[in-house]
This record gives sequence, structure tokens and C-alpha cells, in this order.
Amino acid sequence: DVKVTQSSRYLVKRTGEKVFLECVQDMDHENMFWYRQDPGLGLRLIYFSYDVKMKEKGDIPEGYSVSREKKERFSLILESASTNQTSMYLCASSLVEAGPSFGPGTRLTVT
Amino acid sequence: LAKTTQPISMDSYEGQEVNITCSHNNIATNDYITWYQQFPSQGPRFIIQGYKTKVTNEVASLFIPADRKSSTLSLPRVSLSDTAVYYCLVGPNSGYSTLTFGKGTMLLVSP
Repeated sequence: DVKVTQSSRYLVKRTGEKVFLECVQDMDHENMFWYRQDPGLGLRLIYFSYDVKMKEKGDIPEGYSVSREKKERFSLILESASTNQTSMYLCASSLVEAGPSFGPGTRLTVT
Repeated sequence: LAKTTQPISMDSYEGQEVNITCSHNNIATNDYITWYQQFPSQGPRFIIQGYKTKVTNEVASLFIPADRKSSTLSLPRVSLSDTAVYYCLVGPNSGYSTLTFGKGTMLLVSP
């Protein structure tokens, strides 16, 4: 089974802080994704990456950046956290021809 | 990407078979149909994927009619632990996959 791990389950940050969310997968998957999930809005794709150093914007990239320096690691960066970025953040990875496997999620609260 | 429509919620009792139908009228020739299950405060979990006819695994069955404009996830003999949100997704299964999650169906199983 693929294991996707996220650095924290719960995180509390202050407005204006720079926030790093880390994700690691152990199955040599090409694709990695960051989603956020909010009540009533479902899962929305922030960014995805199909190879090392490659990234593509998803549906809601504003306020976020990503980094993929190694195949197994995909980081989501909030340059200056704001309260409207309080959410559940989900990382996922997949092979080219398969649906993504998700990590447990990080519940981020920005105060 | 093809848009999907599924019921917002469904109720069932333990031991019953549950069928959740998803409409995807604009499905493309190279699109696959994938279903995920999500429990509160967890990432979605892959259940089943299919292209046409019927697919069965140890958890569920997926029925896809010839026109592929809809699909039905069948959960045999549900238990309380099957209470979750179920997502139907449609998208290509080659290249990098950017499956779009809709609002899902909240299934509530009662004793």
C-alpha cells in the first residue's frame, strides 16, 4: 500500500507567518497534489506536480506556492498566512495511470 | 473535465445494499470513473475504478451502462462503519491526473 505522510495533523499559525506543509510518499509516484477541503466546497486542487521541479497551478493557487526538489517530497508554502487559509489540507500522490492516494490531512488554523 | 452529479445524501440501515448513482453526461472517450470514500478528518480513500460494464472488488461493485453517462456504486450489506462521504470522479487516466472532486454523497447508515 502507498503511504502518504504529512508533517503535521494539526497546526496553528498567526496571520502573516510563512507556513510550510510537507508531504512525503514512499512509492516512487510521478504525480503529487495539494488540495484544500472546506465545508460546503468539497476538495479543491491548489497545485500539482508531475515530476521533480515541475508544477502546475490547480483551481485555487492564489496565496500558495509549492516546491518539489525530490520525487518523494512535495511542499506547500503559504507565503503570508491569512485567516481565509484556515482549512484542511490534503496531499496526494499517484502513478500516471491511477487515481491518487491521499495522506491523512493537516488541519491548519490561522489566527 | 466531465462534471458529475450525485445525490447530496442517502440514508440506509445496517445489512442493506446501497446503490449510489452518479451522472456524468459529458464523459469523454478516454475518461475513467473513480469512486472515493472519506471519513471525517481523514483523506479520501480509493474504492474502485472502472471504464465500462461492471467492476467488482472486495469492497464494492461499480456498474457502468453502455452509454457511460452514469455509473452506480454498489455497497453490499452496509455496516455502521460505512457511514462516510462518497465521491464520484470522472477524468482521464493517462498523463497527469487532475481529478476534480464534487460535493459527494453523505451516506448515513443507521442500526
